[in-house]
Amino acid sequence: QVQFVQSGAEVKKPGASVKVSCKASGYTFTSYDMHWVRQAPGQRLEWMGWINTGNGNTKYSQKFQDRVTITRDTSATTAYMELSSLIYEDTAVYYCARSDCGGGCYLLWNWGQGTLVTVSS
Amino acid sequence: DIQMTQSPSSLSASVGDRVTITCRASQSISSWLAWYQQIPGKVPNLLIYKASTLKSGVPARFSGSGSGTEFTLTISSLQPEDFATFFCLQYSDHTVTFGGGTKVEIK
Repeated sequence: QVQFVQSGAEVKKPGASVKVSCKASGYTFTSYDMHWVRQAPGQRLEWMGWINTGNGNTKYSQKFQDRVTITRDTSATTAYMELSSLIYEDTAVYYCARSDCGGGCYLLWNWGQGTLVTVSS
Repeated sequence: DIQMTQSPSSLSASVGDRVTITCRASQSISSWLAWYQQIPGKVPNLLIYKASTLKSGVPARFSGSGSGTEFTLTISSLQPEDFATFFCLQYSDHTVTFGGGTKVEIK
């Protein structure tokens, strides 16, 4: 069955970067887009961006455009989200989420278990 | 960006009650709206997509309606396992935005 295993919780200092991984299994990795979403405590979910896992093209939310990089390793069937210049407000659970198709599909069909990133001095 | 306003933010209901949750979009999104359930500590679970299409395996007591800017999720008879947070997601115009969520609690 479709499964995602995200990397473990992280604690980072302000100004640092964090890279979260999402290993996919149970389907053809390159046939479906992968999105990243976060949820800060008490806040609504926020969409960060997505990657076309087939050709590597990306699109980012304007809010995160300058600080986020989404990549993938097709041989490892893993997607990555790196967020730089962390601030306290980046403390959140970060989710990978697979779309319902590939090449520009935005319906989030399956979600990873989430990775807690805490920004603390 | 398209803004999604979800109401109510919370509600109390009893097992067997009919429950309705609404999402309004700041501009027309046609039928590009999905509903999810999230139980605390669990992964969001897709219930309905394209405003009214029930995902396979989701109980028929869940239904969705609407188009354009106003959408509704209805639970026809609330069950004990339905006490959770529900949220909408719009996926039109090459972006994704979320409603603020509705926490359904036991009365």
